[in-house]
Amino acid sequence: EVQLVESAGGLVEPGGSLRLSCEPSGLRIINAWLSWVRQAPGKGLEWVGRIKSEADGGTRDYAAPVKGRFIISRDDSKNTLYLQMNSLRTDDTAIYYCTTVLVGSRWGFHLWGRGTLVSVSS
Amino acid sequence: QSVLTQPPSASGTPGQRVTISCSGTTSNIGNNYVFWYQQFPGTAPKLLIYNYNQRPSGVPDRFSGSHSGTSASLAISGLRSEDEAHYYCAAWDDNLSSPVFGGGTRLTVL
Repeated sequence: EVQLVESAGGLVEPGGSLRLSCEPSGLRIINAWLSWVRQAPGKGLEWVGRIKSEADGGTRDYAAPVKGRFIISRDDSKNTLYLQMNSLRTDDTAIYYCTTVLVGSRWGFHLWGRGTLVSVSS
Repeated sequence: QSVLTQPPSASGTPGQRVTISCSGTTSNIGNNYVFWYQQFPGTAPKLLIYNYNQRPSGVPDRFSGSHSGTSASLAISGLRSEDEAHYYCAAWDDNLSSPVFGGGTRLTVL
């Protein structure tokens, strides 16, 4: 069974930085496209960004609210996905989920991690 | 405000058939596949329907998806108490060049 496990989030002050990781078990990510999706407390789902496989160019795309502040990367040798979050704002407070992209789709979120809570507050 | 529009709530009694709508535009639902997700409180979303009407393995055939023009629907037949959850639709938006979600529908089984 495939499981995606995000690293622990935490409490960060506005303007601060935090890096999340996601390490799937039961799945080698080398050919996978991967995404991050977030959910503010009591709110709906919001796409954060996506990274394609290196074989497909490793292209990264971001949602407008995080573009220029967040960076998605991957280390296929460590089978790990990352989300570097900089210049954090209070409205970045959310549960962050890593997901695999459904094979054959350019974005469809397939398998999801349990999520990790990031709180941005002074 | 979400790009895709869903009713905030829906309800039904056990055994009933319930549908949840998802309304969009030609830049999203009208031109791209729709996905549906099921989310129980405190847990991660789960893929329920992809490409308008395809079910991943393990999803009961009580769940079905359809679409017409710029709208899509999720139907749940033979409603069960364990279907009580939030349901989200999603689609790629050509104008935004990103996936977009509906605001979610909370399904209550009476």
